[in-house]
Amino acid sequence: EVQLVQSGAEVKKPGESLKISCKASGYSFTNYWIGWVRQMPGKGLEWMGNMYPGDSDSRYSPSFQGQVTISADKSTSTAYLQWSSLKASDTAMYYCGRPSGGAAPGHFDSWGQGTLVTVSS
Amino acid sequence: DIQMTQSPSTLSASVGDRVTITCRASQSISRWLAWYQQKPGKAPKVLIYRASTLESGVPSRFSGSGSGTDFTLTISSLQPDDFATYYCQQYNSYFEWTFGQGTKVEFK
Repeated sequence: EVQLVQSGAEVKKPGESLKISCKASGYSFTNYWIGWVRQMPGKGLEWMGNMYPGDSDSRYSPSFQGQVTISADKSTSTAYLQWSSLKASDTAMYYCGRPSGGAAPGHFDSWGQGTLVTVSS
Repeated sequence: DIQMTQSPSTLSASVGDRVTITCRASQSISRWLAWYQQKPGKAPKVLIYRASTLESGVPSRFSGSGSGTDFTLTISSLQPDDFATYYCQQYNSYFEWTFGQGTKVEFK
């Protein structure tokens, strides 16, 4: 069974850095893309970007390019989403998801439970 | 960017109603479209992919149709468990994926 387990909620101040995680199990981590989706309070879903752990290829939505970094640790089958300097507008729920289709990604067929990030002074 | 426009934004319905949600793409996406259901405080769950393929385990009252720019999600007979928010997502462009803004299905 595919499982994606995300790290717990975070409360941070503006300007701080943060790295949240998504641990995968039940499939070959290096043979599927993994992605991140933002949901701001009371709003819809926004695709942020995907990474292919097999070769570390990363692709970002133009809205998030340069704002976040997606990475992965093959040894622990864990994907990460990282900010170097948080803003209040980064307050949101963040979901990791596994696109279907292996190296040729399709729809998200599995999701993590979400990580709530709150940025407030 | 391919824009996805869902309608309506909110839909009031009763148990047993036939419900239709539409999603329009700003350019052709062939059949590279998925539908997700999201309940409050929960992660999304895929219902339909490739426009009309029902995900394993999803009740057959859900169906999808369309190709090109116009797509439809239909719930043939709304059940209490179906009150939720529904999103379409295009995955045509190689990594310029976008979601629709969502349709909330609420009790009439």
